[in-house]
Amino acid sequence: AQSVTQLDSHVSVSEGTPVLLRCNYSSSYSPSLFWYVQHPNKGLQLLLKYTSAATLVKGINGFEAEFKKSETSFHLTKPSAHMSDAAEYFCVVSDRASGGSYIPTFGRGTSLIVHP
Amino acid sequence: EPEVTQTPSHQVTQMGQEVILRCVPISNHLYFYWYRQILGQKVEFLVSFYNNEISEKSEIFDDQFSVERPDGSNFTLKIRSTKLEDSAMYFCASSRLVSTGELFFGEGSRLTVL
Repeated sequence: AQSVTQLDSHVSVSEGTPVLLRCNYSSSYSPSLFWYVQHPNKGLQLLLKYTSAATLVKGINGFEAEFKKSETSFHLTKPSAHMSDAAEYFCVVSDRASGGSYIPTFGRGTSLIVHP
Repeated sequence: EPEVTQTPSHQVTQMGQEVILRCVPISNHLYFYWYRQILGQKVEFLVSFYNNEISEKSEIFDDQFSVERPDGSNFTLKIRSTKLEDSAMYFCASSRLVSTGELFFGEGSRLTVL
């Protein structure tokens, strides 16, 4: 069975400072991992994905994440936060389900708050 | 850029009424999903659909729920007799390849059950 844990429900940073959103996962196989962002009253937008290629993955808007198998982590980072980054961020693991298909499972989400 | 579209964006209904939420997935995608997000809670998997049949479903997806792809473009979620606890944002998603699990989401349909 797969699961994903986002360690922080809220992260608060000042504009221009680094962002770190933490994610740990458990999976029976070699999973695919994703980060999605949800701005208020909007749908879910893919930020970046890891699908067994390079372990450091670059996404949109300057975000990146590093897959660390030994730590079962896939933390999301950005060197310098912007006000427009304020949103809800979801870490997602996709693994083979009992029926054979892949089902993405969401973490609880981390709310990123950016102060001026 | 192709996108997943959902209608309605917001629906208010009385408890016990039937609701149908509609989705138009991206045209060359073959795998379809419904997720829901109760206010303040996590995004939960409901059901996946491939080749005109359900491939996976969660414990949430009980007999009150059904999905179908009636015309080759729309993908619908029906709730037969809504309960208060069905109030949530419902997201449709589609995927071209099942192996990567990368989903493209619609903007959601907010269901409010009174």
